[in-house]
Amino acid sequence: LAKTTQPISMDSYEGQEVNITCSHNNIATNDYITWYQQFPSQGPRFIIQGYKTKVTNEVASLFIPADRKSSTLSLPRVSLSDTAVYYCLVGDGGYQKVTFGTGTKLQVIP
Amino acid sequence: SAVISQKPSRDICQRGTSLTIQCQVDSQVTMMFWYRQQPGQSLTLIATANQGSEATYESGFVIDKFPISRPNLTFSTLTVSNMSPEDSSIYLCSAGTAPGNGELFFGEGSRLTVL
Repeated sequence: LAKTTQPISMDSYEGQEVNITCSHNNIATNDYITWYQQFPSQGPRFIIQGYKTKVTNEVASLFIPADRKSSTLSLPRVSLSDTAVYYCLVGDGGYQKVTFGTGTKLQVIP
Repeated sequence: SAVISQKPSRDICQRGTSLTIQCQVDSQVTMMFWYRQQPGQSLTLIATANQGSEATYESGFVIDKFPISRPNLTFSTLTVSNMSPEDSSIYLCSAGTAPGNGELFFGEGSRLTVL
């Protein structure tokens, strides 16, 4: 399984765009990149998933360069409610044994 | 999508006792997993719950300590046996609805405190 590395924590002011980068140098050909969000006392919640280039949904954008050795989760105009831990996951086919890394604790400041 | 309900949401247990956590999914799912999360830490995969057969455990977790059942496509249980204070943690059930690299859904977790 590809190991992921992401910053332990980040601070951002309300209204700013936040970019969280994840490194996954050993990503395999079949692997997808998935991001989850976890609020205190809740289970993780799926945010976005991609394989290459750029993926955008109503919540976030995911940028993946051609070599796929890293990815960047972009949260536009964050609010206080975006304060959470964000996990980057690299999964093999069939999401067998999905393994969570350390996550990035995002603190949004008023 | 899938909605996952876990019971109990929290419990306080005595050392040496066992507790069973139930996980109910509102739709049939392909995969079910059990995770453990210490406060302030990431999630650690305990095992994959296999329908109709023995669970597949990750390194460091054994069936005698964490027996798991999955009698059908929507229900699973995790038992924490012979508990010690080190077992105090949040236990999370998750499920996937489709094969391939799809979305995993999580329950709210069961917070266990062992005295």
